[in-house]
Amino acid sequence: TQLLEQSPQFLSIQEGENLTVYCNSSSVFSSLQWYRQEPGEGPVLLVTVVTGGEVKKLKRLTFQFGDARKDSSLHITAAQPGDTGLYLCLGTSGSRLTFGEGTQLTVNP
Amino acid sequence: DTGVSQDPRHKITKRGQNVTFRCDPISEHNRLYWYRQTLGQGPEFLTYFQNEAQLEKSRLLSDRFSAERPKGSFSTLEIQRTEQGDSAMYLCASSFAINYGYTFGSGTRLTVV
Repeated sequence: TQLLEQSPQFLSIQEGENLTVYCNSSSVFSSLQWYRQEPGEGPVLLVTVVTGGEVKKLKRLTFQFGDARKDSSLHITAAQPGDTGLYLCLGTSGSRLTFGEGTQLTVNP
Repeated sequence: DTGVSQDPRHKITKRGQNVTFRCDPISEHNRLYWYRQTLGQGPEFLTYFQNEAQLEKSRLLSDRFSAERPKGSFSTLEIQRTEQGDSAMYLCASSFAINYGYTFGSGTRLTVV
């Protein structure tokens, strides 16, 4: 069974602060994706990383895939209340998809 | 094509009743997934189709659960003899291919009373 450990589980910060969310596994993934989910809605894809060591930037969000393709991080700079949501990482290996447990982020104005 | 559609959005049913959910994926996506999610947790994999073939089923999918994708387009997920523990959000996702990213529907929120 492949597991993706996501941390922290909960994060409450003030507007303007920076934060990092981590996904770690002992398994190698062919790709890793990050999603953001709002209450009552399905997850929305933010980014896909495929290459070990890859870094992708999406405005204030920076995503990194570990060199060994076993871990990933999501860094948000100058968080805003609109960033509030459940952040999920998803690892792909063959046809198997494994979600992390999620990080519930709350950004307070 | 505006994305993955799921119907209904909400379903309240009495324990012991059968329920069926429908998912319409993005038309050119041949891969379709069903997930179950409880509040504040990550989604749990239930089953996966490539075209009309059901290629993988999770152990979470008991005998009371069945999924079909008869023509390789829409899919249905049926739960028979519902139990209170079945209450959850049921999510459908589709993909063109592995590593291309998955588009999720808005889910069906099931409440068993």
